[in-house]
Amino acid sequence: GDSVTQMEGPVTLSEEAFLTINCTYTATGYPSLFWYVQYPGEGLQLLLKATKADDKGSNKGFEATYRKETTSFHLEKGSVQVSDSAVYFCALSGGSSGSARQLTFGSGTQLTVLP
Amino acid sequence: EAGVTQFPSHSVIEKGQTVTLRCDPISGHDNLYWYRRVMGKEIKFLLHFVKESKQDESGMPNNRFLAERTGGTYSTLKVQPAELEDSGVYFCASSQDGGRDIQYFGAGTRLSVL
Repeated sequence: GDSVTQMEGPVTLSEEAFLTINCTYTATGYPSLFWYVQYPGEGLQLLLKATKADDKGSNKGFEATYRKETTSFHLEKGSVQVSDSAVYFCALSGGSSGSARQLTFGSGTQLTVLP
Repeated sequence: EAGVTQFPSHSVIEKGQTVTLRCDPISGHDNLYWYRRVMGKEIKFLLHFVKESKQDESGMPNNRFLAERTGGTYSTLKVQPAELEDSGVYFCASSQDGGRDIQYFGAGTRLSVL
């Protein structure tokens, strides 16, 4: 079945540092890939997505590129802020498991940015 | 426009008791999903409704879990009787079209079974 593996946390960075959170996936077919973010006390929010190979999703300074050859979708941001502190989840849909609709998530990465 | 609403936000019950979680999706969204995150691990799919019909319930862990969506509006997820391993955060999400449409999540219900 489908699976998503993401970088173990927690990750602690200083403000303005460069962020990378690694995400790799296993799926057959042509899944869509997502990064969701959960800020403290809030629900999951879609941060960015990519639906086909070589697509780059971007939002709020975050970027991730759909790499089919390495089955990866790493999240990057050039300069993090304290307000980026949250839990980040990598996810896919439309792979081989179940219907095209269910999301398969990684285990989440807690990011803390210090001033 | 209101987002996906879940309540209660937190529920503490004893083993063997019954708990009912509720989810109100975004108005007009036919697709409703339940997920849960146990012990800080990955978020796992439980089931998917299209309107009032269960489209996919392959993720439901056992028959102690019962989900309903009468009338195709809000949904409830009942756990009866609750066990210790049911503790976790239960998320609800809704989407308009299904397929690869974006799923919008609620804030979740944190269930603690003592």
